[in-house]
Amino acid sequence: DVVMTQSPLSLPVTLGQPASISCRSSQSLVYSDGNTYLNWFQQRPGQSPRRLIYKVSNRDSGVPDRFSGSGSGTDFTLKINRVEAEDVGVYYCMQGTHWPLTFGGGTKVEIK
Amino acid sequence: QVQLVESGGGVVQPGRSLRLSCAASGFTFNNYAMHWVRQAPGKGLKWVASISYDGTSTYYADSVKGRFTISRDNSKNTLYLQMNSLRAEDTAVYFCARGGILTGYSAMDPWGRGTLVTVSS
Repeated sequence: DVVMTQSPLSLPVTLGQPASISCRSSQSLVYSDGNTYLNWFQQRPGQSPRRLIYKVSNRDSGVPDRFSGSGSGTDFTLKINRVEAEDVGVYYCMQGTHWPLTFGGGTKVEIK
Repeated sequence: QVQLVESGGGVVQPGRSLRLSCAASGFTFNNYAMHWVRQAPGKGLKWVASISYDGTSTYYADSVKGRFTISRDNSKNTLYLQMNSLRAEDTAVYFCARGGILTGYSAMDPWGRGTLVTVSS
């Protein structure tokens, strides 16, 4: 199975400051069609997960442009430009290239 | 708008069965793959099972293979998860999520609100 390793586990951030979450996969996530199926999800307290980013860097409709995704191969990053109070929650990366589908362990973003 | 509503959760004894349902609306259900994902209390997300748009292809996590069955009724716009031989470690909130078009399994958006399954004697 592809292991998805996120860091840090916990990320205290000052409002208005940037935040960055790393996600590393144990194998390349480049599929045979040339696409890299790496998603990012946000789960606010008490809510179900919501996809933010798909295929590494594509923002979903309605997602603020302060969120951005980057990376390639086995190394990926989610960045929040200026953290707002509504960004508090747990963020997960997920790979959709290999079976079984696997998630990272999550990064908890909180306000300092 | 796209909506997914899970139901069927509850408290069940170890070894017993339960069937979850996910009612879909707001999109052409029979065009999309679908997923079940679970989240144990206080833990992260774990993929459980996926099914193709027409139900002919299914995929399972090793932890549930042979015990759980994913299926769909496209005439009712409903996804199912039949869970047999339940164990304490199956205790979790179970979410359904829409996949991509046809066999687009990498997509997982949107998600339902989830239904809680508690396996306990």
